[in-house]
Amino acid sequence: DTEVTQTPKHLVMGMTNKKSLKCEQHMGHRAMYWYKQKAKKPPELMFVYSYEKLSINESVPSRFSPECPNSSLLNLHLHALQPEDSALYLCASSELPSRGPAYEQYFGPGTRLTVT
Amino acid sequence: KNEVEQSPQNLTAQEGEFITINCSYSVGISALHWLQQHPGGGIVSLFMLSSGKKKHGRLIATINIQEKHSSLHITASHPRDSAVYICAVRLVRRETSGSRLTFGEGTQLTVNP
Repeated sequence: DTEVTQTPKHLVMGMTNKKSLKCEQHMGHRAMYWYKQKAKKPPELMFVYSYEKLSINESVPSRFSPECPNSSLLNLHLHALQPEDSALYLCASSELPSRGPAYEQYFGPGTRLTVT
Repeated sequence: KNEVEQSPQNLTAQEGEFITINCSYSVGISALHWLQQHPGGGIVSLFMLSSGKKKHGRLIATINIQEKHSSLHITASHPRDSAVYICAVRLVRRETSGSRLTFGEGTQLTVNP
């Protein structure tokens, strides 16, 4: 199973709502990632979890709150978002590289988020 | 200047044509990835290279480490190849926490029947 799944596929939320995005993988990968992608732009890294611990936070505003309940699941909790946060949110996973070779990242299909 | 530069930004081809997309980078890397993204979102990893050449079906990827350059070739292109192709590199860094990728801006490929 080389699939990363994400739910929901689409989400529309108001600026006062609280919602969560979910990501799941069953490849035994110990690194999981959240990316944000605006239209016609490459993905921007938001967070990286390694062994279920947050290892990289790319100065993301606190209205985005990641959580890794176990090695297969990754959540992104959303609260008080702004319209400019509307984007495609992608989850990915990979083996955890040492300082040597890199490992392939497997991406999910993304959640298209619209903030109204 | 971006650490990863792709060219061209947009490419339109006729079905059957041979296509080349280029990627140049300016820093030391441990690996280079070619990714494909169709309209609607999902990203598929096509290749991961650290040297030489890889082939999968009609797709060929090459990398020249000395020249810091990689190319993605598509032979006998087909309309279903229409997508955004993204070059991404893993920089040589001390961190071991995950595989941080630096992305190029992408190449929008349109193959007309």
